[in-house]
Amino acid sequence: EAGVAQSPRYKIIEKRQSVAFWCNPISGHATLYWYQQILGQGPKLLIQFQNNGVVDDSQLPKDRFSAERLKGVDSTLKIQPAKLEDSAVYLCASRLATDTQYFGPGTRLTVL
Amino acid sequence: KQEVTQIPAALSVPEGENLVLNCSFTDSAIYNLQWFRQDPGKGLTSLLLIQSSQREQTSGRLNASLDKSSGRSTLYIAASQPGDSATYLCAVGYGGATNKLIFGTGTLLAVQP
Repeated sequence: EAGVAQSPRYKIIEKRQSVAFWCNPISGHATLYWYQQILGQGPKLLIQFQNNGVVDDSQLPKDRFSAERLKGVDSTLKIQPAKLEDSAVYLCASRLATDTQYFGPGTRLTVL
Repeated sequence: KQEVTQIPAALSVPEGENLVLNCSFTDSAIYNLQWFRQDPGKGLTSLLLIQSSQREQTSGRLNASLDKSSGRSTLYIAASQPGDSATYLCAVGYGGATNKLIFGTGTLLAVQP
């Protein structure tokens, strides 16, 4: 069974630029999560999807962050414009019916 | 507001030792608790999941316990190996079936050969 795929693995941009991350969950997993992990901290939930609907985006900085999950499969997280404090690893996870979340390798973003 | 704390932040042990990692949380109204392993440059791998009604779970050399009333969980690793070196994260699940997670800051474990 293929795992959660994410791309790109690394991205370096300058502040005020925009960036997008892509996630393809495990086939058939209806629930998809995006997390932000700042160096030295645990992951923090940004947004949760159930199929193509948003379940929780209460911690998503909506003035600059947006996410979508068209057709209930893969998802894109966008930051526009990026700030220095957005430097982090962005993790995508998916879940089927059990409570276990399966994580992708993450995208490491550096904002200069 | 739920807060999750992990102690110690870092731990170095010689190969073969048994060790315990600690996790504490402030709100006992949890849905479940999970332990994850994170290797450098990689995502998280789920190790053990304990439902709120359970007291412990075991997988191989790993045993996790949960005491909701005291807001504590421990991860016991028996006969540690260099391959166990990684960051271990505990995460408290809430929100019922939506299973949102709040993570601790992790324990960085180094097992010396």
